[in-house]
Amino acid sequence: DAGVTQSPTHLIKTRGQHVTLRCSPISGHKSVSWYQQVLGQGPQFIFQYYEKEERGRGNFPDRFSARQFPNYSSELNVNALLLGDSALYLCASSLERIDYGYTFGSGTRLTVV
Amino acid sequence: GENVEQHPSTLSVQEGDSAVIKCTYSDSASNYFPWYKQELGKGPQLIIDIRSNVGEKKDQRIAVTLNKTAKHFSLHITETQPEDSAVYFCAASKGGGADGLTFGKGTHLIIQP
Repeated sequence: DAGVTQSPTHLIKTRGQHVTLRCSPISGHKSVSWYQQVLGQGPQFIFQYYEKEERGRGNFPDRFSARQFPNYSSELNVNALLLGDSALYLCASSLERIDYGYTFGSGTRLTVV
Repeated sequence: GENVEQHPSTLSVQEGDSAVIKCTYSDSASNYFPWYKQELGKGPQLIIDIRSNVGEKKDQRIAVTLNKTAKHFSLHITETQPEDSAVYFCAASKGGGADGLTFGKGTHLIIQP
């Protein structure tokens, strides 16, 4: 079975640019969550989407947005990139709109220069 | 919001010995406590979890204990092996998805041969 897949695996952007990160959940999983992991820290919650609606949001600015598609895949968008947005962005999926049993992908490493 | 403290930040043990990692949480409404293992270049992998109606849970060499009164929980790994070397994260959640998982800062576990 395919796990959670994320693309791209790495990318480099310039300050002020926009970036879109993509995630495909495990087949049958309806919930997708996004986390930011800065080097040396634990992951920090950004969003949860369930049945194409935003169900939870962490303490991130409005430059961060996301959406979930009918096939339950998801995109995370970040506008006006700052150097501090450099991090590993993790996507996690679960069966339902709960935090139990998250499966994480390997992440997208974003570097802002 | 929830705050999770994790100790120690680095733990070095001899192969075959036991390792214990401890976490405390601040929000008494949290009811779900997973532990994740993260290897270099990979996303976090769920290794064991416990819900607040249970005091202890064991899975082969791994066990987790929860003290709701003191608001702390611990991961115990017995008979450590080289493949146990990784960064371990504890997390806490109210389970509803709206606030996501709140992670500790991680413990780098080093197994000395």
